[in-house]
Amino acid sequence: NSKVIQTPRYLVKGQGQKAKMRCIPEKGHPVVFWYQQNKNNEFKFLINFQNQEVLQQIDMTEKRFSAECPSNSPCSLEIQSSEAGDSALYLCASRDRGQNTLYFGAGTRLSVL
Amino acid sequence: GQQVQQSPASLVLQEGENAELQCNFSSTATQLQWFYQSPGGSLVSLLSNPSGTKHTGRLTSTTVTKERRSSLHISSSQTTDSGTYLCATATSGGNYKPTFGKGTSLVVHP
Repeated sequence: NSKVIQTPRYLVKGQGQKAKMRCIPEKGHPVVFWYQQNKNNEFKFLINFQNQEVLQQIDMTEKRFSAECPSNSPCSLEIQSSEAGDSALYLCASRDRGQNTLYFGAGTRLSVL
Repeated sequence: GQQVQQSPASLVLQEGENAELQCNFSSTATQLQWFYQSPGGSLVSLLSNPSGTKHTGRLTSTTVTKERRSSLHISSSQTTDSGTYLCATATSGGNYKPTFGKGTSLVVHP
C-alpha cells in the first residue's frame, strides 16, 4: 500500500486565487511526480523532481505553477492564479531510485469557481 | 510522444464473470504498470509488467513488448472490483515519465 500523503483532499478556490497542495513522498523515495487528471480521465504530466532538483516540467507548469521539493519538508505544487480549467484531480507519486514502480497519493481535488 | 490506448472504455459484468482489459501503446516501453483507481480517486498499483506474464491474486497481466500491447485479466470479478483500471507506460532513460491511458471503467453488478 502506498504511503504517499497528499493534503488537502479537497480545495476550492475562486478564479485568480492561489491554490497550494502538498505531498509527502514515501520515505526514501527521491523521485516525485505531479500529474493532473481532468474530468475526461486524461492524465497530464506536470513536473518531476529528484531530491530537490527539477528533472522535467511542461511549459504550463513553468509559467503558471510554482513547485518545490525541499529537503525535510513536504513537496508542494502551487497555482499562482487559478483558472476554471485548472479544476482537476492533482496526483503526486513517488518512486525509488533505480525502480520504475510509481506509488500514488490519494490526490487533491481542486475546484476553481 | 508515447500514446496509450485502452479498451474497452467501459465494461459491465455480473459478479463472477471474467474481465479482459487491453492496453496498446505507440512506442516500445521498458516499463508498464497497471493501476486501479477507486471512485474516490486514489490510485493503487496492481502490477508492474514490462514483458511476459505476471500473476497476483485474481489478476493476470500479459505484455507482448514487440507488439506494444498488454492485457489485464480479472478472474471471478467481485463488486469491489468496480472502478477504473489504468495502464501507464514509460521508456527508459533520463526522461522517465510514464504516460497514462484514459482507463477502462469497470462496473460489476451483484
